[in-house]
Amino acid sequence: GAGVSQSPSNKVTEKGKDVELRCDPISGHTALYWYRQRLGQGLEFLIYFQGNSAPDKSGLPSDRFSAERTGESVSTLTIQRTQQEDSAVYLCASSFVASGSREQYFGPGTRLTVT
Amino acid sequence: AQTVTQSQPEMSVQEAETVTLSCTYDTSESDYYLFWYKQPPSRQMILVIRQEAYKQQNATENRFSVNFQKAAKSFSLKISDSQLGDAAMYFCAYRSVGGATNKLIFGTGTLLAVQP
Repeated sequence: GAGVSQSPSNKVTEKGKDVELRCDPISGHTALYWYRQRLGQGLEFLIYFQGNSAPDKSGLPSDRFSAERTGESVSTLTIQRTQQEDSAVYLCASSFVASGSREQYFGPGTRLTVT
Repeated sequence: AQTVTQSQPEMSVQEAETVTLSCTYDTSESDYYLFWYKQPPSRQMILVIRQEAYKQQNATENRFSVNFQKAAKSFSLKISDSQLGDAAMYFCAYRSVGGATNKLIFGTGTLLAVQP
């Protein structure tokens, strides 16, 4: 079946512009996660959705970052007034929370470059 | 808070040889999951192997095995009979059991090169 998809694959934007990154989770997966991976670093947790609510937003680095999710489907991560330090790969993952394994399946990520 | 440390930024192995990647972690929890993920240049994170802390037996998946030392908080990955396709960034990750979010906490990764 289809895996987690993300779009765009790459995004170049000018400092100060807003960007939207999209994630399509695996069908039936109720949990959705966003992570950020800076160059040469591990993944940092940003936000967790269960359905369309976000019980954990603790990883969002500033109020310029926000995310929403439509039901148990698509999620959008929005970065307002982008800064150069926002340049990173943004990865989305989903899992079927009802499963005991709660395995997270990752998308290919969006590479964001802020010039 | 839990932390994960990978002290080897880069490793190299000859094809068909064995290599071990190190990972240590810090936690006050008694039950948790540990993972090794592989990230090739395509950026796709691929789960290699998983270990449940309450299980004493080390996990094994074909050529991949772990050495889980709970008391020492160590979780190393052994790759046997290394293949060119094993070249990638490898991340160790921790996840709480029964936590509200099940978020993964990652180390900084080890870049593995496989020499023909």
